[in-house]
Amino acid sequence: DQQVKQNSPSLSVQEGRISILNCDYTNSMFDYFLWYKKYPAEGPTFLISISSIKDKNEDGRFTVFLNKSAKHLSLHIVPSQPGDSAVYFCAQTGTYKYIFGTGTRLKVLA
Amino acid sequence: NAGVTQTPKFQVLKTGQSMTLQCAQDMNHNSMYWYRQDPGMGLRLIYYSASEGTTDKGEVPNGYNVSRLNKREFSLRLESAAPSQTSVYFCASSESAGLVYEQYFGPGTRLTVT
Repeated sequence: DQQVKQNSPSLSVQEGRISILNCDYTNSMFDYFLWYKKYPAEGPTFLISISSIKDKNEDGRFTVFLNKSAKHLSLHIVPSQPGDSAVYFCAQTGTYKYIFGTGTRLKVLA
Repeated sequence: NAGVTQTPKFQVLKTGQSMTLQCAQDMNHNSMYWYRQDPGMGLRLIYYSASEGTTDKGEVPNGYNVSRLNKREFSLRLESAAPSQTSVYFCASSESAGLVYEQYFGPGTRLTVT
């Protein structure tokens, strides 16, 4: 059974500091990972992705790290800003099937 | 360019009633998806359409039907609503069948079944 887990339901970080959001997966068959951000009353929006052929992908303040041996990926936001406060979902996919984690609510404190 | 639009935004149904959730995208995407999101759970795939003319079941298809009306539109139908179908429903689209692309989501429909 393919599962994607986000074990921290919430995280609070001071503005300007680093936010680290974590995600674990069980099935290595699907080899593409994505992070989405979701504000209340809106749909999720794509943030950043990584293929299993890489171990790091960077886009501005956002970096995703993939540790295939540990079946773990993380999203780093540096520096964190109040506008980053949202729910973050990781997802795993390989074809049409996208498996989402349960989300981590990030609160960036001003 | 509106992206992915969904109607209605909110709906209250009584048990046993039927309704159709509408979704349209203007990005010329081949693939479209319907998800539901429940508290404490991630988004779960109900049905998807890899390309115009095809539909397939996702993780939680029971109680739902879909229609890929054309390349732009993908509707979700509840034939006989049940309280367990109270949820927020998201439609999404992505670029191309068989390849991995990020999905673009609509704003959601909040459905309550009493």
